[in-house]
Amino acid sequence: ETGVTQSPTHLIKTRGQQVTLRCSSQSGHNTVSWYQQALGQGPQFIFQYYREEENGRGNFPPRFSGLQFPNYSSELNVNALELDDSALYLCASSLHWGARETQYFGPGTRLLVL
Amino acid sequence: QQQVKQSPQSLIVQKGGIPIINCAYENTAFDYFPWYQQFPGKGPALLIAIRPDVSEKKEGRFTISFNKSAKQFSLHIMDSQPGDSATYFCADSDNYGQNFVFGPGTRLSVLP
Repeated sequence: ETGVTQSPTHLIKTRGQQVTLRCSSQSGHNTVSWYQQALGQGPQFIFQYYREEENGRGNFPPRFSGLQFPNYSSELNVNALELDDSALYLCASSLHWGARETQYFGPGTRLLVL
Repeated sequence: QQQVKQSPQSLIVQKGGIPIINCAYENTAFDYFPWYQQFPGKGPALLIAIRPDVSEKKEGRFTISFNKSAKQFSLHIMDSQPGDSATYFCADSDNYGQNFVFGPGTRLSVLP
């Protein structure tokens, strides 16, 4: 196990609603990245937080937002849910940011938007 | 948009066979190429990674072969076992060296 936990494991929402997903990183890991994984696809980078500041963002609209807290927990918020937002949402923690860092993934939250 | 290409999309081998998964990348600015393994219901986990100052790296039954001039690297699984059945993702760094761009994945099934 990676020591990265996510909640809830599954979630069903309707179009237009808002959702908050939670992640608890490994202790001491200052960086958390969030990914969206559609069925049968690889994870797509949403954004990254380093020491509670957004440190980079992928090609996702502003209705995807996040927070990172000093206690190594973080949140992904999605407003105005669309059907295409149905996916597995993964968080990954690492000691530092950068493409040479090993990222430790949580088990994910599966979101279904009806 | 930066892409990482993987082939094949799916692969079925008998126990003891040597599946080979190929990855083609675009970004040459950074020097770290990982393979992640994902079981159903789990998040991806780092399996093995290579830096292009070497052409090959082995860890147990897993080997990465790297061809820098072709911008390709491959994962070989020696003596494959049913427990290796999973989806495998290769990754490249993004243009800022900040994060990963993942390939679409290869679903491997190892038959007993």
